[in-house]
Amino acid sequence: AAGVIQSPRHLIKEKRETATLKCYPIPRHDTVYWYQQGPGQDPQFLISFYEKMQSDKGSIPDRFSAQQFSDYHSELNMSSLELGDSALYFCASSLERGGLPDTQYFGPGTRLTVL
Amino acid sequence: DAKTTQPTSMDCAEGRAANLPCNHSTISGNEYVYWYRQIHSQGPQYIIHGLKNNETNEMASLIITEDRKSSTLILPHATLRDTAVYYCIVRVSYSGAGSYQLTFGKGTKLSVIP
Repeated sequence: AAGVIQSPRHLIKEKRETATLKCYPIPRHDTVYWYQQGPGQDPQFLISFYEKMQSDKGSIPDRFSAQQFSDYHSELNMSSLELGDSALYFCASSLERGGLPDTQYFGPGTRLTVL
Repeated sequence: DAKTTQPTSMDCAEGRAANLPCNHSTISGNEYVYWYRQIHSQGPQYIIHGLKNNETNEMASLIITEDRKSSTLILPHATLRDTAVYYCIVRVSYSGAGSYQLTFGKGTKLSVIP
């Protein structure tokens, strides 16, 4: 079965640079979520989109922004990168069924290293 | 959101059943119990979920107590590849069209020993 695709899988940036992470949800899934997992930490919710509209917002820094496109893929844009942004970034997708969201399935993640 | 409490770590002999407990004493009537696992920096993997009835799939069984204040995930025949951090998550109540966030706690680090 098709899974969530994330690209790139690894990314190295310098401080104050910009990074863009991409997420391609499971086909027909309409909802995308972004999570951040710092070293030794548990995944933390950042932001989510349903039908191309932002639906929930977690602990996402103002330097980060995201959007969901007409083909349902999503991009997380990160500017003015800081050392503390070094983390694994996971995307998950789900399909809303009858007004209730369904199970989230996660991608393999993007490992961002800020030097 | 209901909070969950899990043991920090557990060991299990290969081939034996692994029973991972989770307490969620403040769970609401419309909140589900979800289990995910994360194998060393890979993306969290969905295992199973339930509301109040026991559930079984090809990966595991989920036993939920009648009062819904606790649950147990059972891996019937643990293998070395089941070594991972297991997260018990109570799903945030439905908060709007098509979205809910998962709140990951500390989870249980399960080590399957040869």
